Amino acid sequence: EADIYQTPRYLVIGTGKKITLECSQTMGHDKMYWYQQDPGMELHLIHYSYGVNSTEKGDLSSESTVSRIRTEHFPLTLESARPSHTSQYLCASSVKTGGSYNEQFFGPGTRLTVL
Amino acid sequence: AQSVTQPDIHITVSEGASLELRCNYSYGATPYLFWYVQSPGQGLQLLLKYFSGDTLVQGIKGFEAEFKRSQSSFNLRKPSVHWSDAAEYFCAVGARGGSYIPTFGRGTSLIVHP
Repeated sequence: EADIYQTPRYLVIGTGKKITLECSQTMGHDKMYWYQQDPGMELHLIHYSYGVNSTEKGDLSSESTVSRIRTEHFPLTLESARPSHTSQYLCASSVKTGGSYNEQFFGPGTRLTVL
Repeated sequence: AQSVTQPDIHITVSEGASLELRCNYSYGATPYLFWYVQSPGQGLQLLLKYFSGDTLVQGIKGFEAEFKRSQSSFNLRKPSVHWSDAAEYFCAVGARGGSYIPTFGRGTSLIVHP
């Protein structure tokens, strides 16, 4: 059983607010990811991290930031929420074995609605 | 760069019928291949994966998938579908070595009729 947690599970917030979506994993995985998922669409990579103090931008990263101060924690921050940010946000982690990364383990997601 | 195509947006089957969900990938070498399932309001759960070896892969919940290099396909199958299998199914391809950022397909929504 994978142990990766996301809070809050649901969030409704007004335009312009600053929000932080939390993600934690207890598996000691070095690599972590944030995805945005809209209905009927593929997962879009927002940010990822190879480990502590490492952060990389994905395809949709321009309006958010992440930090990786601890291995187990990878929060995502939207400085100023907009209705276009309404979506589901999925956090995932993976571990490198045999020279390559294996499958990803996903959290339950945060459903964000920006009014 | 790799890419994934899931040609079917929706698939409807009757409970007890067999199932095949299609996945085609584009990648220059032998990729890592995955199938994930997502129930409503949940994250993705790994069903099965192919890294190397036997091209017929067994997964959880009675699913299997076959890697066909000549067709660049990794189709998911189940001989008898249960109502609880209704969910969204995602195929993903990952590159060997390097930064390994997997690419996901758009998903196929499985509807199961009683």
